[in-house]
Amino acid sequence: GNSVTQMQGQVTLSEEEFLFINCTYSTTGYPTLFWYVQYPGEGPQLLLKVTTANNKGSSRGFEATYDKGTTSFHLQKASVQESDSAVYYCVLGDTNKVVFGTGTRLQVLP
Amino acid sequence: EAGVTQSPRYAVLQEGQAVSFWCDPISGHDTLYWYQQPRDQGPQLLVYFRDEAVIDNSQLPSDRFSAVRPKGTNSTLKIQSAKQGDTATYLCASSLGTGGYEQYFGPGTRLTVL
Repeated sequence: GNSVTQMQGQVTLSEEEFLFINCTYSTTGYPTLFWYVQYPGEGPQLLLKVTTANNKGSSRGFEATYDKGTTSFHLQKASVQESDSAVYYCVLGDTNKVVFGTGTRLQVLP
Repeated sequence: EAGVTQSPRYAVLQEGQAVSFWCDPISGHDTLYWYQQPRDQGPQLLVYFRDEAVIDNSQLPSDRFSAVRPKGTNSTLKIQSAKQGDTATYLCASSLGTGGYEQYFGPGTRLTVL
């Protein structure tokens, strides 16, 4: 079945540092890969979407890329801000299935 | 455009009590999802609908949980006899389709079972 693995449970950075979060996935189909962000007290919201056609997406200073060869996709940002503190989920969407990763809690210190 | 709305926002129950959660999706979205999110964990899919039909309820504890979407718009998730292990936030999301479509989430209902 479809699965995603998000190894980094917690990441702590100082402002203006570089962010890199990695996910690996497993599927037999042609997936769409998402990054969702969740702030306290809210539901998750879409940050980025990457398809097998475009390999890359960007939004709000974040960039996501995927590598079909290693079945991995990652999220990066050159310079984080305190307001980026949140939980980030990688999500695999494939035909009729959507699978969330376990989440990476990002804490950005001022 | 209004987002996904859920009610109530909070619920506190004793074990054995029943509770219902209500979700109003974004107008025109044919697909509706219910997720359970325990504290400090990711959302876990319980059930999803396309219009009024259940597409996947394999993760729904059928002995105590039920979900309906009778007219293909609003949906209700019900827990018949709550247990402490049901303590979690229940999230509703809607989308224009499955798989490759963005899901729009409501704020969730935070359930505490004492």
